[in-house]
Amino acid sequence: AIQMTQSPSSLSASVGDRVTITCRASQGIRKDLGWYLQKPGKAPKLLIYAASSLQSGVPSRFSGTGSGTDFTLTISSLQPEDFATYYCLQNYNYPWTFGQGTKVEIK
Amino acid sequence: QVQLVQSGAEVKKPGASVKVSCKASGYTFTNYFMHWVRQAPGQGLEWMGIFDPSAGSTTYAQKFQGRVTMTSDTSTSTAYMELSSLRSEDTAVYYCMVTDYYFDHWGQGTLVTVSS
Repeated sequence: AIQMTQSPSSLSASVGDRVTITCRASQGIRKDLGWYLQKPGKAPKLLIYAASSLQSGVPSRFSGTGSGTDFTLTISSLQPEDFATYYCLQNYNYPWTFGQGTKVEIK
Repeated sequence: QVQLVQSGAEVKKPGASVKVSCKASGYTFTNYFMHWVRQAPGQGLEWMGIFDPSAGSTTYAQKFQGRVTMTSDTSTSTAYMELSSLRSEDTAVYYCMVTDYYFDHWGQGTLVTVSS
C-alpha cells in the first residue's frame, strides 16, 4: 500500500498567516491526490482534487501543488473558519490511503 | 441535490456484527463507486474499501479482508457495509462517500460503539 506522510502533524498560526501543509507519497501517484478539511463532528469536505484543482465553492485562498511524490496545500491568508484538521488522500491505486492529518490551531 | 443519509448509531458487543446503511439520492446510484471510510475517536481517516453498485464488485483494504462485506440494493439506491467479529478497536464513526474528481459527497457518519 502507498504510504502518505503528512507534515506537520499540527501547527499554530494566526489569522492572516500563510500556512503550508505537505504530503509525501511512498511512490509516484501522478496527480491523483485530494485535500480535505474536517471540523470536529463533521464529515470531511473536499478542497482540492487532482492535486491542484480547486473544488467549486472553495475560497481561492486555498491552493494545491505537486505531482509524483510531493504535494503541498497552501492557505494564503488563514481565516477563522479555517481552523480545522486537514488530510490528503491518494486515489492513485487501491487501497486508497490518507495522510495522518494536520491540525491547524489558533496561536 | 446529492445526499447520502446513513443509519443511526449502534452499540454492539465484542464478537457481534454491525450493518450500516447509506441511502443515496440526487444522482444515478450505479454511476459512482461507493467508498467506506472510518475514523476512530480522536484519530485520522481510514479507507476501508469500495463497492461498485453497477457490477456488484468490491475491493477491500487488506486490514478488513474477511471481516467486511459491502453490498447494495439498487432498487432503493442504498449501500451497506457489514463488519463482523467486532472488537473494541472498531469503535469509530463510519462514513460512506462517493468521489470522482470534483463529484465528492459524504454521508453524515454513523457511530459504532463496541463495548461489553
